[in-house]
Amino acid sequence: GAGVSQTPSNKVTEKGKYVELRCDPISGHTALYWYRQSLGQGPEFLIYFQGTGAADDSGLPNDRFFAVRPEGSVSTLKIQRTERGDSAVYLCASSLAGTSDEQYFGPGTRLTVT
Amino acid sequence: DAKTTQPPSMDCAEGRAANLPCNHSTISGNEYVYWYRQIHSQGPQYIIHGLKNNETNEMASLIITEDRKSSTLILPHATLRDTAVYYCIVRVAAGANSKLTFGKGITLSVRP
Repeated sequence: GAGVSQTPSNKVTEKGKYVELRCDPISGHTALYWYRQSLGQGPEFLIYFQGTGAADDSGLPNDRFFAVRPEGSVSTLKIQRTERGDSAVYLCASSLAGTSDEQYFGPGTRLTVT
Repeated sequence: DAKTTQPPSMDCAEGRAANLPCNHSTISGNEYVYWYRQIHSQGPQYIIHGLKNNETNEMASLIITEDRKSSTLILPHATLRDTAVYYCIVRVAAGANSKLTFGKGITLSVRP
């Protein structure tokens, strides 16, 4: 079956620009997570949705980062006034519920801020 | 979540068992041990998880010590496709705090 998909796969943007990254979770998965991964590091948690609401946004680094999931399915991670330090792979994962269920990861979006 | 400690890297010969250690000495009673792996340029992939009993599935076996302070992931017959970064993660089972906290993991290189 279809897994988690993320678009675009690569995004190059200039410093100061606004970007949106999209995640399509596995159908029926109520929990959705965003992580970001810098080179040589493990993924770092950003935000977790249970349905439409953000249950935990403690990992968002600052107010330039925002994420939505208006219908409880697709999610968009939005980054305003991008900085070079935002360059990373942004990973999305989904699971049946926010419990011990395994998380299924997408391939990620590689964001490069020049 | 409790922290985990893994060696940075190890290698093994193709066809042999790969035993990947993990220390989690501050694990709490309600925390599970999870293993994920990440093949180059892909998202992490779930392997296995357990609470206190040993677990086995089609991918691997997880051996947790009786005091739960350490565990070992065993790939019984490693192949070249098992070359990846393996993450040992300790996590509560349910509730809002269900995020995964990744460390740097252990890089497993399987040699022909």
